[in-house]
Amino acid sequence: GAVVSQHPSWVICKSGTSVKIECRSLDFQATTMFWYRQFPKQSLMLMATSNEGSKATYEQGVEKDKFLINHASLTLSTLTVTSAHPEDSSFYICSASDAQGRTEAFFGQGTRLTVV
Amino acid sequence: SQQGEEDPQALSIQEGENATMNCSYKTSINNLQWYRQNSGRGLVHLILIRSNEREKHSGRLRVTLDTSKKSSSLLITASRAADTASYFCATDEGGRGGSEKLVFGKGTKLTVNP
Repeated sequence: GAVVSQHPSWVICKSGTSVKIECRSLDFQATTMFWYRQFPKQSLMLMATSNEGSKATYEQGVEKDKFLINHASLTLSTLTVTSAHPEDSSFYICSASDAQGRTEAFFGQGTRLTVV
Repeated sequence: SQQGEEDPQALSIQEGENATMNCSYKTSINNLQWYRQNSGRGLVHLILIRSNEREKHSGRLRVTLDTSKKSSSLLITASRAADTASYFCATDEGGRGGSEKLVFGKGTKLTVNP
């Protein structure tokens, strides 16, 4: 299957700072990438859909000004958690599908964010 | 919204036994997928079954889909300790198709004891 690389795999930051998480499709072009959030022992919740060259579509209840998404190229989407707070501590996972529109989505390895 | 709902939430079995996990969903779908997640890691795609399929096999995995009951099952045969993980079903929300926007269930945490 295709490879999606997410970086960093873990990060610890202080309250009030911003953190950027990258999601890259290594061997295919991804017109669409998805960002999920997963709290401990819970399922994945979709935060936003990232479309190359256009604004991201956010799910209800997700603050777009707090979770900035940029999808500047067909292989890279970034999620920036701005002014992070301890309650933002979570596991963030991205997924991507290729431009051919295959149904299967490929997931990154996730980023564990801890805000102290 | 949580469309897929798995049961049981947790399952503990002995190596060599079979493990069955179930998933129910609420809206129409084009396909249903099963994923595996090791603790604190990303998701690994296991199998996709389309709405016009009733059963699919992949190695030791067997997936069934009953669209009339809006349910699916994942069977892992001859389980191994390495199968220990959380398993999630995911559906394409609203059955729009061609979209990888997935709605995940709550997952089943499987423990296979050696």
